[in-house]
Amino acid sequence: QQQVKQSPQSLIVQKGGIPIINCAYENTAFDYFPWYQQFPGKGPALLIAIRPDVSEKKEGRFTISFNKSAKQFSLHIMDSQPGDSATYFCAASSQTRGKLIFGQGTELSVKP
Amino acid sequence: EAGVAQSPRYKIIEKRQSVAFWCNPISGHATLYWYQQILGQGPKLLIQFQNNGVVDDSQLPKDRFSAERLKGVDSTLKIQPAKLEDSAVYLCASSLNRGPYSGNTIYFGEGSWLTVV
Repeated sequence: QQQVKQSPQSLIVQKGGIPIINCAYENTAFDYFPWYQQFPGKGPALLIAIRPDVSEKKEGRFTISFNKSAKQFSLHIMDSQPGDSATYFCAASSQTRGKLIFGQGTELSVKP
Repeated sequence: EAGVAQSPRYKIIEKRQSVAFWCNPISGHATLYWYQQILGQGPKLLIQFQNNGVVDDSQLPKDRFSAERLKGVDSTLKIQPAKLEDSAVYLCASSLNRGPYSGNTIYFGEGSWLTVV
């Protein structure tokens, strides 16, 4: 019940494409859903986050879509660029526990 | 603003040896985390400190791992004796206060890479 399942494991798109990464969770107590971006040799960095009271959040080229009934959320990257090539992790936590549970990660490669 | 500092960046040890990692969080951050990231997986929380008290150490293998945060600032994570499966990146992170919410963003260091041979 504490798991966050992420797919796909890897993704290759052409520059300008719209990669979509999906995550699913089971614990209905989760109420905070961030996405982290990690470049090789670096620590993860917060990209964008959403709470379950909204269905979509957009920051620049990054959009989170959230489906509370299906317990799923996804990251969309508009007009993807080679510089977006990185590993992306979804995560979830609850206000009471605070602990972030990470998905398995998606390695994104954007080809020029 | 300086980020989360970790050292050493890389360490290779033989199994059954010991190793220690050091972390200096962002100034003023009360909450400090140690995560283990095995290659190809997401980070897993090992231990969370609030100031110098332990909030969560439920996934810390206490027979071989220990961590402390004296004076509520720097922290040290120790592994003794190391096993092959401990090969991973050990990420230290900090946040202003407890909980990863708005205003409490978790900032990660670059990690300490451990290889156990």
